Amino acid sequence: DPKIIQKPKYLVAVTGSEKILICEQYLGHNAMYWYRQSAKKPLEFMFSYSYQKLMDNQTASSRFQPQSSKKNHLDLQITALKPDDSATYFCASSQGRPAETLYFGSGTRLTVL
Amino acid sequence: AQSVTQPDARVTVSEGASLQLRCKYSYSGTPYLFWYVQYPRQGLQLLLKYYSGDPVVQGVNGFEAEFIKSNSSFHLRKASVHWSDSAVYFCAVSAADNNAPRFGAGTKLSVKP
Repeated sequence: DPKIIQKPKYLVAVTGSEKILICEQYLGHNAMYWYRQSAKKPLEFMFSYSYQKLMDNQTASSRFQPQSSKKNHLDLQITALKPDDSATYFCASSQGRPAETLYFGSGTRLTVL
Repeated sequence: AQSVTQPDARVTVSEGASLQLRCKYSYSGTPYLFWYVQYPRQGLQLLLKYYSGDPVVQGVNGFEAEFIKSNSSFHLRKASVHWSDSAVYFCAVSAADNNAPRFGAGTKLSVKP
């Protein structure tokens, strides 16, 4: 059974719309992350959360907003979508201590038309 | 801030041959170093990691890596590759202050039968 669930697996959106990418982890981890992978920028770090608090944000645009309603949830809201946002978005989790292994979900592939 | 360079975007080797995938990191402090592998349409999985101690670390499926501080390198090696090793390999570095790992651009390994 997958321990990190990302929904949906595939997502098609139109330019200017808003979407929410879902991530739930069942590993009992304290830290969660979002990474983005595209042809232009392979595996780019976006956000990290620890105990539902934002720890690090490397995303320049405020159109990307993480949302943590529960300890094991870290959703990603993207507003005013652009074609350049097309990418696979990976959620990951870890125990949160330095150098702990990241466990990745299988990703949400977003295509913006 | 830390960063990783993987100079080889693609590497092709014959089955049974030895392998080295190169990784150089940039970080002024003590790095935590990782190699992850990504199979098609999947998230990343940890191969091995280095915290401290013996600079040669063993990982899964016969992979190993050597930390050479003087060269800021953490190259991945395998004595004899199998066709199932075909995948994308990512080197990553994490700083001691608990920030999220930063990944290199990845090296796509193709193993010829």
